[in-house]
Amino acid sequence: ETGVTQTPRHLVMGMTNKKSLKCEQHLGHNAMYWYKQSAKKPLELMFVYNFKEQTENNSVPSRFSPECPNSSHLFLHLHTLQPEDSALYLCASSQVYRVNEKLFFGSGTQLSVL
Amino acid sequence: EDQVTQSPEALRLQEGESSSLNCSYTVSGLRGLFWYRQDPGKGPEFLFTLYSAGEEKEKERLKATLTKKESFLHITAPKPEDSATYLCAVQAGAGGTSYGKLTFGQGTILTVHP
Repeated sequence: ETGVTQTPRHLVMGMTNKKSLKCEQHLGHNAMYWYKQSAKKPLELMFVYNFKEQTENNSVPSRFSPECPNSSHLFLHLHTLQPEDSALYLCASSQVYRVNEKLFFGSGTQLSVL
Repeated sequence: EDQVTQSPEALRLQEGESSSLNCSYTVSGLRGLFWYRQDPGKGPEFLFTLYSAGEEKEKERLKATLTKKESFLHITAPKPEDSATYLCAVQAGAGGTSYGKLTFGQGTILTVHP
């Protein structure tokens, strides 16, 4: 098993659909993250969970809803998205959420909103 | 607000042609500067963390250095397998508004031709 696994790898959805992205880490970490990577833009932090508690919400629109049932799993529920939400969504984990912790990333879900 | 600017946006090198990538940053209370490598279709992979001005770290053909305003990633005698996007990120310490958050640059796309 690779360290951080994301499914699906690719997702195409209409603006009225509801879908979920899944992330699972096999590293024994306690912090998990969602990042958004748009074309020609820097990685943008969306959410942070530390020991299953949400510690960061970087002003993300409510059409993105995260869920962290345990330290190994992280979901991003999507509903009524806009075309500008098309991007690569990356999940990451670290030992804990604190300064100087290196992140381990999954391969991402490439999302296209039509 | 923390800012990270990477240059150049893209760099094309011949195999064996050494060069440097630049990361300029503005952050209140730098706690760490990170370099990541991202291959197409994959998530970023951790390379280095630098903590204070004057620090240097090396890994194979890569050497990262840090000053109070910028970091350089030196690539010595690169090979085609070094082709990737190189990302720089900074993290502020306690007291900053972005405590714990990584602020990424937009990356430098490196292509090494055989």
